[in-house]
Amino acid sequence: DGGITQSPKYLFRKEGQNVTLSCEQNLNHDAMYWYRQDPGQGLRLIYYSQIVNDFQKGDIAEGYSVSREKKESFPLTVTSAQKNPTAFYLCASSYRGGGSGANVLTFGAGSRLTVL
Amino acid sequence: DAKTTQPNSMESNEEEPVHLPCNHSTISGTDYIHWYRQLPSQGPEYVIHGLTSNVNNRMASLAIAEDRKSSTLILHRATLRDAAVYYCILRALANAGGTSYGKLTFGQGTILTVHP
Repeated sequence: DGGITQSPKYLFRKEGQNVTLSCEQNLNHDAMYWYRQDPGQGLRLIYYSQIVNDFQKGDIAEGYSVSREKKESFPLTVTSAQKNPTAFYLCASSYRGGGSGANVLTFGAGSRLTVL
Repeated sequence: DAKTTQPNSMESNEEEPVHLPCNHSTISGTDYIHWYRQLPSQGPEYVIHGLTSNVNNRMASLAIAEDRKSSTLILHRATLRDAAVYYCILRALANAGGTSYGKLTFGQGTILTVHP
């Protein structure tokens, strides 16, 4: 079955360390996204990518970096510059074509990062 | 991005219908209305979307006001598995630059509790 795989599901990090979260999709979607969710809050967009080798900052990109070398993969690195990295991170993907606001997002199961 | 307003929480009994309201008074003519739901510790799941006409699918129905300033997600017979946070989101029609792809702005949503 097609879907989005995020790994690891749980991750612990010491302060000052960078950590990379993996996101892989086999839905043949062009666009991929990273969201952050804090307890009791909605999702906030970190970065998104519409095509390979191109990505744009979302609303809270500071302290994060991404790459899009393959259509299927969109890894997120949480750097030591991110002041409050403890959160639930969600990856999503969608079709890009047609310019339609009807294109829906498919989400992964999430990665929960805790900074010790 | 246009904003949506939802009640913080609602309760229902199992096997009864549930009507989840959403106000979006600043909606533009090309904004689609999307609903997603999120179970605890999982990624959001697409429920339904529409533009002007009422929509039905296997999960739910979406009733859109004639002036499009509000909409209602209808779960015809709530089950315990429907207990989740429900997000009402407006998704803009992407322009040629495509910068609005996937930029779903999630609010805090409505926490639905279903009682057995």
